[in-house]
Amino acid sequence: AQTVTQSQPEMSVQEAETVTLSCTYDTSESDYYLFWYKQPPSRQMILVIRQEAYKQQNATENRFSVNFQKAAKSFSLKISDSQLGDAAMYFCAYSPNTDKLIFGTGTRLQVFP
Amino acid sequence: GAVVSQHPSWVICKSGTSVKIECRSLDFQATTMFWYRQFPKQSLMLMATSNEGSKATYEQGVEKDKFLINHASLTLSTLTVTSAHPEDSSFYICSARGQAAVTNTEAFFGQGTRLTVV
Repeated sequence: AQTVTQSQPEMSVQEAETVTLSCTYDTSESDYYLFWYKQPPSRQMILVIRQEAYKQQNATENRFSVNFQKAAKSFSLKISDSQLGDAAMYFCAYSPNTDKLIFGTGTRLQVFP
Repeated sequence: GAVVSQHPSWVICKSGTSVKIECRSLDFQATTMFWYRQFPKQSLMLMATSNEGSKATYEQGVEKDKFLINHASLTLSTLTVTSAHPEDSSFYICSARGQAAVTNTEAFFGQGTRLTVV
């Protein structure tokens, strides 16, 4: 069965600092997609970053970058220069091509001034 | 970017009544729509997958007769919670994927619907 594990229920970071959120997954597929979603208090799911498994290069989106280790089935999210607006729940998700999303349990990120 | 609109954003209903939630893709054709349920402080759990013009595929443990899903057009899917009970109170979120290259590699989410059954 395909599963996604986020081992950090809560994380905190000081404004302007860097924080890394962990995610591991289990699959027997060789081609798939990985995502990080942000869910602020409004509960709207916002896509932060996406990684295609066939790409070796780690995806980056401005202050957000991932460390994708396919052999280890690890997909961590690094947030640089953290801002107060980054405070939210972050969900790691796995998707086998164009199929459904399987979410991890989430990590609540707090950002302190 | 692709926009998915979900309506209503919140609803309160009496126990035993039915509630319909709409999910619309506003600027793309959604060949596949997904319905998720999220309990407080928990993750999103997939309830069912619907493809336009065909019956929905329900995840294990989800009652298909209780959660009726209709995907009659490429821009609209509905979830009807029938004979709602307080334990059905939750946050329901839809997402959609399209056919075009720009819309078929990620899911676009609606704003969610908070259902409270009293």
